[in-house]
Amino acid sequence: GENVEQHPSTLSVQEGDSAVIKCTYSDSASNYFPWYKQELGKRPQLIIDIRSNVGEKKDQRIAVTLNKTAKHFSLHITETQPEDSAVYFCAASYGNKLVFGAGTILRVKS
Amino acid sequence: GAGVSQSPSNKVTEKGKDVELRCDPISGHTALYWYRQSLGQGLEFLIYFQGNSAPDKSGLPSDRFSAERTGGSVSTLTIQRTQQEDSAVYLCASSLGPPTVTDTQYFGPGTRLTVL
Repeated sequence: GENVEQHPSTLSVQEGDSAVIKCTYSDSASNYFPWYKQELGKRPQLIIDIRSNVGEKKDQRIAVTLNKTAKHFSLHITETQPEDSAVYFCAASYGNKLVFGAGTILRVKS
Repeated sequence: GAGVSQSPSNKVTEKGKDVELRCDPISGHTALYWYRQSLGQGLEFLIYFQGNSAPDKSGLPSDRFSAERTGGSVSTLTIQRTQQEDSAVYLCASSLGPPTVTDTQYFGPGTRLTVL
């Protein structure tokens, strides 16, 4: 069935350290994997996405990697800053819809 | 330009009453999605509209939930005979067509529904 598992559910890091969030999906036909950031009380916003024809994508301090064989993808944030504190959601495409992971609460301690 | 808007921002209702939630997508976006976000949970897909095609209703949790999209723009999500478990934030998103799911979805601010 359609399922996206996301780990960890909470993550605390010291400012300047790296943070990694991992997701797995179940459908080998999934071909699009976005990551959304949701600050407290605000709407989710796309921060980076990757399509199945590439293995890695980077945008400044944020990178996403995709392993299609293992059906997992990860978000990497380097040099974390307090403003990175938020809930992060991964998602995988299933047909015309996205199935989201349960979210990771990231806390960056200064 | 203007983003996705939703109204009301907050809705408190009594169990058993009907509620209507509204979504105004970004102008020109042909795809529109409704999601539900319960406290501390992820985003649960409810329904998807694409242009004049029949909507994908596969995520609606029960027949008390329905949605329509008039004129390919504004959408209304209706919950009949609300139950306490319907309490959640209801998020709308739109994306540019012709749609594939790889088009970026832009979210509205959500409607927080509380059923007493």
